[in-house]
Amino acid sequence: GAVVSQHPSWVICKSGTSVKIECRSLDFQATTMFWYRQFPKQSLMLMATSNEGSKATYEQGVEKDKFLINHASLTLSTLTVTSAHPEDSSFYICSASFLREAGYTFGSGTRLTVV
Amino acid sequence: QKEVEQDPGPLSVPEGAIVSLNCTYSNSAFQYFMWYRQYSRKGPELLMYTYSSGNKEDGRFTAQVDKSSKYISLFIRDSQPSDSATYLCAMRNTGFQKLVFGTGTRLLVSP
Repeated sequence: GAVVSQHPSWVICKSGTSVKIECRSLDFQATTMFWYRQFPKQSLMLMATSNEGSKATYEQGVEKDKFLINHASLTLSTLTVTSAHPEDSSFYICSASFLREAGYTFGSGTRLTVV
Repeated sequence: QKEVEQDPGPLSVPEGAIVSLNCTYSNSAFQYFMWYRQYSRKGPELLMYTYSSGNKEDGRFTAQVDKSSKYISLFIRDSQPSDSATYLCAMRNTGFQKLVFGTGTRLLVSP
């Protein structure tokens, strides 16, 4: 089946630094990828939708200059948290869709802790 | 009112019980309906997806969609402790790719 690989699975960084999270579709071409944020015991909050070769579409309230999304190829999307602060600490998850499937595949998630 | 309503639980059942998980929704344009299972600190895993109304069965899992009532269900037969997780319903319009999630129901299956 479709596999989405997300790295790193966890990262600790200092306040003010930037962190990049990668999301790769391993055995299919993902025309669209989604980035979510999840707080403890809460559901997923969609941050942005990225389409290969075009700018990401951000949800209302999500700072596009803080959360940089790049979808340079059909198999790779990256989320960069710039100038991270402790309030950016969260669980970030990517998801990919491919043309013929209605169910989207999720990555294993990245736990970001900013100290 | 949220677009998708789901009881957060927790729902506690003994091993072997039949589990019923449900979601209601308000947007009649939704056509694709999905159930995901999420273990703690992991990404959601797709269990079932259904297009429009009807039933779909896969092993111990059965998904039902009743569009007239705007109500979807996931049944788990012969529940196992390994089924203990949070179950998220999700849905979307045809041709519109953004998923709308329920809040998730936490299920606890005791041995």
